[in-house]
Amino acid sequence: QQQVKQSPQSLIVQKGGISIINCAYENTAFDYFPWYQQFPGKGPALLIAIRPDVSEKKEGRFTISFNKSAKQFSLHIMDSQPGDSATYFCAASIIQGAQKLVFGQGTRLTINP
Amino acid sequence: DTGVSQNPRHKITKRGQNVTFRCDPISEHNRLYWYRQTLGQGPEFLTYFQNEAQLEKSRLLSDRFSAERPKGSFSTLEIQRTEQGDSAMYLCASSLSGAREKLFFGSGTQLSVL
Repeated sequence: QQQVKQSPQSLIVQKGGISIINCAYENTAFDYFPWYQQFPGKGPALLIAIRPDVSEKKEGRFTISFNKSAKQFSLHIMDSQPGDSATYFCAASIIQGAQKLVFGQGTRLTINP
Repeated sequence: DTGVSQNPRHKITKRGQNVTFRCDPISEHNRLYWYRQTLGQGPEFLTYFQNEAQLEKSRLLSDRFSAERPKGSFSTLEIQRTEQGDSAMYLCASSLSGAREKLFFGSGTQLSVL
């Protein structure tokens, strides 16, 4: 019930295209859903996050879509750039209390020039 | 650099040896977390501190693992009698507690147990 399942495991997108990564969760107590970006040799960095009171959040080229009834959320990267090539992790936690994030398995994104 | 700092970046040790990692959080942050990340997987929560108090430990944290945060500043994670299964990236993160808490991760310590 604590799992967060992420797909696809890897994704190749052409420059300028849209990258879409999906996540599903089981624990209905989760109320905070962040996405992290990780480059090789670095720790994860917070990209964007959403709470279940909204269905979509956009920050620049990055958008989270959230479907509470389906217990699913996704990250969309518009106009994907080679610099976006990284591993992306979705995560979930309960906002009250400590951020004991439950991470997905990760998606390795490659943007071809 | 005012981010989360972890040392060493890499540690190679032989099975059965003890190792200690250090994390220096962002100075004003009162919470400090340890996560473990194995190859091809997302990070997994190990433990966290609020100021100097260790408030929660995951079941992943066996009794060979101990963490401290004296004076609520830097933290150390010690692994005793290392096993090959301990090989992983150990990540530290810090944050300021509150409704808009955000975790800032360090670059991690990569442990290889031979």
